[in-house]
Amino acid sequence: DQQVKQNSPSLSVQEGRISILNCDYTNSMFDYFLWYKKYPAEGPTFLISISSIKDKNEDGRFTVFLNKSAKHLSLHIVPSQPGDSAVYFCAASRNSGYALNFGKGTSLLVTP
Amino acid sequence: NAGVTQTPKFQVLKTGQSMTLQCAQDMNHNSMYWYRQDPGMGLRLIYYSASEGTTDKGEVPNGYNVSRLNKREFSLRLESAAPSQTSVYFCASSRTSGALYEQYFGPGTRLTVT
Repeated sequence: DQQVKQNSPSLSVQEGRISILNCDYTNSMFDYFLWYKKYPAEGPTFLISISSIKDKNEDGRFTVFLNKSAKHLSLHIVPSQPGDSAVYFCAASRNSGYALNFGKGTSLLVTP
Repeated sequence: NAGVTQTPKFQVLKTGQSMTLQCAQDMNHNSMYWYRQDPGMGLRLIYYSASEGTTDKGEVPNGYNVSRLNKREFSLRLESAAPSQTSVYFCASSRTSGALYEQYFGPGTRLTVT
């Protein structure tokens, strides 16, 4: 059973606008959340993470928001750039665990 | 700095054939992982090795075996390939096990079993 869900398979955004990618999880034991970015024919690369003790983490144009009560997190990219076009995977884990539980990914297309 | 390397990049097997996917990292990481990614699916953990000399099953270990040859290398073996094992396989490594430590991924091996 999928414990991490990304319900939007794809998203298209204009350059300069905000991209919002959403992720929901079902396991209340998860306390660490990550976003990975993947270009075609490459492996995923780590983008940003957040611990459950926080509700926001920011790194340049990328911000992740965590709503623990709703078991929901989102990744905001502002401003979006064409080079951000990629598949974005949400992942969750327990701090003490080893396994990353991945969502199915959202394909982001940023158009000029 | 090569990071995580995987060989081969592509492979086609017939049902019942065997093969070994190779993975090596040059970052002096303790932990290594094998994932598979199927179309429309996220990555699923097959096996992992928290440190040299140890291996453990992940979410989908059936049909696979692994060997942590040394600190650098972690191989994945398919003893008798099945069409259900058609997938893209990613190897990853991290400084140590635990979600707090970023996992670095290789470029993947695209395997087709006919």
